[in-house]
Amino acid sequence: RKEVEQDPGPFNVPEGATVAFNCTYSNSASQSFFWYRQDCRKEPKLLMSVYSSGNEDGRFTAQLNRASQYISLLIRDSKLSDSATYLCVVTSNDRAGANNLFFGTGTRLTVIP
Amino acid sequence: ETGVTQTPRHLVMGMTNKKSLKCEQHLGHNAMYWYKQSAKKPLELMFVYNFKEQTENNSVPSRFSPECPNSSHLFLHLHTLQPEDSALYLCASSHLYRPGQTNTEAFFGQGTRLTVV
Repeated sequence: RKEVEQDPGPFNVPEGATVAFNCTYSNSASQSFFWYRQDCRKEPKLLMSVYSSGNEDGRFTAQLNRASQYISLLIRDSKLSDSATYLCVVTSNDRAGANNLFFGTGTRLTVIP
Repeated sequence: ETGVTQTPRHLVMGMTNKKSLKCEQHLGHNAMYWYKQSAKKPLELMFVYNFKEQTENNSVPSRFSPECPNSSHLFLHLHTLQPEDSALYLCASSHLYRPGQTNTEAFFGQGTRLTVV
């Protein structure tokens, strides 16, 4: 079973639309959760951390549901510049206390004029 | 400028060549990672180093050999690669997770695009 599962999409939405991505993780002991954005042929960059209480950054809202082991990202009022691949990331510690970062497959978003 | 620098940015090598990828981070992190990203595939974790000690080797073939001389530098030595090893190789670094610590996100270098011919 994969550590992190995401719907790969693609999601094609018109400008101004609201779009939501979900992601599930398998390790209930996972501690940290993030959404990253990756543009074509570029490295992933942190979009936002995800906290149990939920957090918002402008048009972006991230939520974590530990009981169901899923993470969500909501983008409101989509812009053309939002077109990218969105990666769900989960951090778990192994028995030795070492960090492991696990990435989902990414969800491809295209915002259409 | 992400604070994580990878060199070279592009590399073309023959199957009998030996080359090395270099990663350097200036963020004071104590965990470093190598990832492989093939076309239309998700990021694959290859190696993890915590405080210079390797803690993860995800069944990576021995033709890939990592080296971490200190917490700021990470190398990936390549030899006798195959064409299917052509991919984007990404280095990342982060703080180690500790209870109560929130700034554990990873920062990536720009990657080395490797082509094996």
